Amino acid sequence: AQSVTQPDIHITVSEGASLELRCNYSYGATPYLFWYVQSPGQGLQLLLKYFSGDTLVQGIKGFEAEFKRSQSSFNLRKPSVHWSDAAEYFCAVGDITTSGTYKYIFGTGTRLKVLA
Amino acid sequence: DSGVTQTPKHLITATGQRVTLRCSPRSGDLSVYWYQQSLDQGLQFLIQYYNGEERAKGNILERFSAQQFPDLHSELNLSSLELGDSALYFCASSYPQAPIDEQYFGPGTRLTVT
Repeated sequence: AQSVTQPDIHITVSEGASLELRCNYSYGATPYLFWYVQSPGQGLQLLLKYFSGDTLVQGIKGFEAEFKRSQSSFNLRKPSVHWSDAAEYFCAVGDITTSGTYKYIFGTGTRLKVLA
Repeated sequence: DSGVTQTPKHLITATGQRVTLRCSPRSGDLSVYWYQQSLDQGLQFLIQYYNGEERAKGNILERFSAQQFPDLHSELNLSSLELGDSALYFCASSYPQAPIDEQYFGPGTRLTVT
């Protein structure tokens, strides 16, 4: 079965430091990959997505992610973290259903804390 | 703001009761998805509707049902509620895109079963 693993449940970084959130997926075909952010009391906001092509994708809020097929990974990065980045981050893969549509399979999330 | 609205924002009810959660998709979107976010199960896909018809089913309990109306809003009905149904329920919507629809999420409805 398709799955997404986010090995880090919690990560704490200092403001201004760099950030990398890990995501590993298990998917037979070419994966469609997403990173979402969930701020407290909010819904999920799409940060970036990878469908094909350039393996380094740029997203909103200064985030980027790199797709590495050999490692089945899609790690999220940011060179300099801001206090407002404190939130929960979810990696997801699009999984095709029997009707041909896609549902998303989410990882368990990584909660980011930013120290002033 | 994603453009997807969900009501109510919070819901507190007792075990054995039935509730209805409502979702209005973004203007122009034809698909509605329901997800459940709980502490022990994480974010799980429940069901998808496309233009009024059920398209895909995930880990949705038989006590739960959904429908999508002609105006494309959707309702998720939860019955015979148990303590374990306490969770955040998200609705997402999308329009047909290639190669995969991008889903836009609402703010969620937090259900507490006491």
